Amino acid sequence: GAGVSQSPSNKVTEKGKDVELRCDPISGHTALYWYRQSLGQGLEFLIYFQGNSAPDKSGLPSDRFSAERTGGSVSTLTIQRTQQEDSAVYLCASSLRSPDNSPLHFGNGTRLTVT
Amino acid sequence: GESVGLHLPTLSVQEGDNSIINCAYSNSASDYFIWYKQESGKGPQFIIDIRSNMDKRQGQRVTVLLNKTVKHLSLQIAATQPGDSAVYFCAEHSGGYQKVTFGTGTKLQVIP
Repeated sequence: GAGVSQSPSNKVTEKGKDVELRCDPISGHTALYWYRQSLGQGLEFLIYFQGNSAPDKSGLPSDRFSAERTGGSVSTLTIQRTQQEDSAVYLCASSLRSPDNSPLHFGNGTRLTVT
Repeated sequence: GESVGLHLPTLSVQEGDNSIINCAYSNSASDYFIWYKQESGKGPQFIIDIRSNMDKRQGQRVTVLLNKTVKHLSLQIAATQPGDSAVYFCAEHSGGYQKVTFGTGTKLQVIP
């Protein structure tokens, strides 16, 4: 079946501009995550959605970052007034259910470059 | 805070040899562990998982070992192949909530 889809795959933007990154999770997956990965680094947790519960936003690095998930499916990560340090790969993942633990299924990410 | 870490940032292995990638975790309440493989330009992919009520689990050419006494996790890859070259991450889940914590990763280089 279809996996997690992220768009765009690459985004180049000028410092100060806003960007929106999109994630289409696997159908039926109730949990959705956003991570950020800088070059050669590990995965930094940003935000977690589970069903209709309030999202865990504890990983968002500043108030320039926000995310929403509409209808329990598609999610959008928005970065306002982008800075050069926002350059990274933004990864989205979904999983079948929580709290029963199950693996995360990742998309291939959006590579964001802020010039 | 809680963290998941790796002992070896890079590992070079001769093709055909076995590889062992290690991971230390610090949250004793974690009850589910996963190894992911990340190839260049792609997102991490699930390899194998293990729950805290087990100490060993085998897959195809891969084995995960869990030592809860010393909070240590390892991934063994048998007969390493060039296609195994990637970055490997361990990750831990704490019970009841899937805020998954990842380590910094180990790069596995397979020498032909």
